[in-house]
Amino acid sequence: QVQLQQWGAGLLKPSETLSLTCAVNGGSLNSYSWSWIRQPPGKRLEWIGDITHSGNTNYNPSLKSRVTISVDTSKNQFSLKLTSVTAADTAVFYCAGAKYYLPIHYFVPWGQGSLVTVSS
Amino acid sequence: SSELTQDPAVSVALGQTVRITCQGDSLRSYYASWYQQKPGQAPVLVIYDRNNRPSGIPDRFSASTSEDTTSLTITGAQAEDEADYYCSSRDRTSNHRALFGGGTKLTVL
Repeated sequence: QVQLQQWGAGLLKPSETLSLTCAVNGGSLNSYSWSWIRQPPGKRLEWIGDITHSGNTNYNPSLKSRVTISVDTSKNQFSLKLTSVTAADTAVFYCAGAKYYLPIHYFVPWGQGSLVTVSS
Repeated sequence: SSELTQDPAVSVALGQTVRITCQGDSLRSYYASWYQQKPGQAPVLVIYDRNNRPSGIPDRFSASTSEDTTSLTITGAQAEDEADYYCSSRDRTSNHRALFGGGTKLTVL
């Protein structure tokens, strides 16, 4: 059973770069695409972007200019970088596996979540 | 609309049946998936591929879809079903970006 373990810095100052990593345990990067999703306090889930095992990416247009998702097949990990953060980026960030090919779409499994707070 | 719309809150008496709906044009192309989220926890997939349940999800959870609307039904709601529920789909007209509904808070009375 595939499980995801994520980590990264939890407190950032405005203008810094958010960096999170997600390890894929018990499975191969080849078995899914991989996604990052965030949830500001008390708000809905927001998709950040996807990456395939071969490195093809797809980003939320609202975040595209600041987001980079990458994959490290040697470590069975994928990562998120979000530049120039502001208080509006404060959220719980989740990594997740993604299955999507028309008409199929779902996210499973999910990481445990990482609270990232942006404050001066 | 390319967004997904859900009712903010729904309540159900213990043991009764409740339906949570999600509406959006993207549902005409991509199957919806449904997620249960309890406070302080990561979302959990409860329905995928129209009406399939992952291993471990009780069979009281089911779903149906008609055109641009999908519904999650809980038949015989239990106290442990009290949670936020999110629908999700993708927008094929916008580079297949993933969408989430605003979430429905289910209260079991």
